Amino acid sequence: GDSVTQMEGPVTLSEEAFLTINCTYTATGYPSLFWYVQYPGEGLQLLLKATKADDKGSNKGFEATYRKETTSFHLEKGSVQVSDSAVYFCALSDTGRRALTFGSGTRLQVQP
Amino acid sequence: DTAVSQTPKYLVTQMGNDKSIKCEQNLGHDTMYWYKQDSKKFLKIMFSYNNKELIINETVPNRFSPKSPDKAHLNLHINSLELGDSAVYFCASSLRGGNEQFFGPGTRLTVL
Repeated sequence: GDSVTQMEGPVTLSEEAFLTINCTYTATGYPSLFWYVQYPGEGLQLLLKATKADDKGSNKGFEATYRKETTSFHLEKGSVQVSDSAVYFCALSDTGRRALTFGSGTRLQVQP
Repeated sequence: DTAVSQTPKYLVTQMGNDKSIKCEQNLGHDTMYWYKQDSKKFLKIMFSYNNKELIINETVPNRFSPKSPDKAHLNLHINSLELGDSAVYFCASSLRGGNEQFFGPGTRLTVL
């Protein structure tokens, strides 16, 4: 079945540091890929998405590129802020089933 | 003007009780979902309904029964609650042909 693997957390960075959170996936067919963010005590918000190979999703300074050859969708941000502290989930949705398959989440802590 | 709403936000109850969680969306979507987030933040699909028809039913104990009175509502009823049911339950919705899901704020269920 489909699966998503994310790097273990927590990831602790200083403000303005560069962020990478690795995500790889296993799926049949051509899934859509997503990054969701969960701020403390809140629900999930869609951060960005990509629906086909080589697409780049971007939002709020975050970016991720759909790499079919490496089955990856790594999240990056050039300069993190304290307000980016949250749990980040990589997810995929296959063309048939539609339900999201999530990775285990990566907690990001940004220190001033 | 909340897009996906859930009630209650918190639910504390005793083992063996029966409880319900309600979900409503005002986005005009035709597909709704229930996800469970365990204590380690792992998210897993439980059910999905499209236009009141059950389309995904993962390996969930039959003590859990979803009910969709119309396409804007998807409720979750849980019988004979157990300690292991303690989790955060998220409702989500999407268009059947689309792949972006919008999540509610979650219901934190604590079984004592």
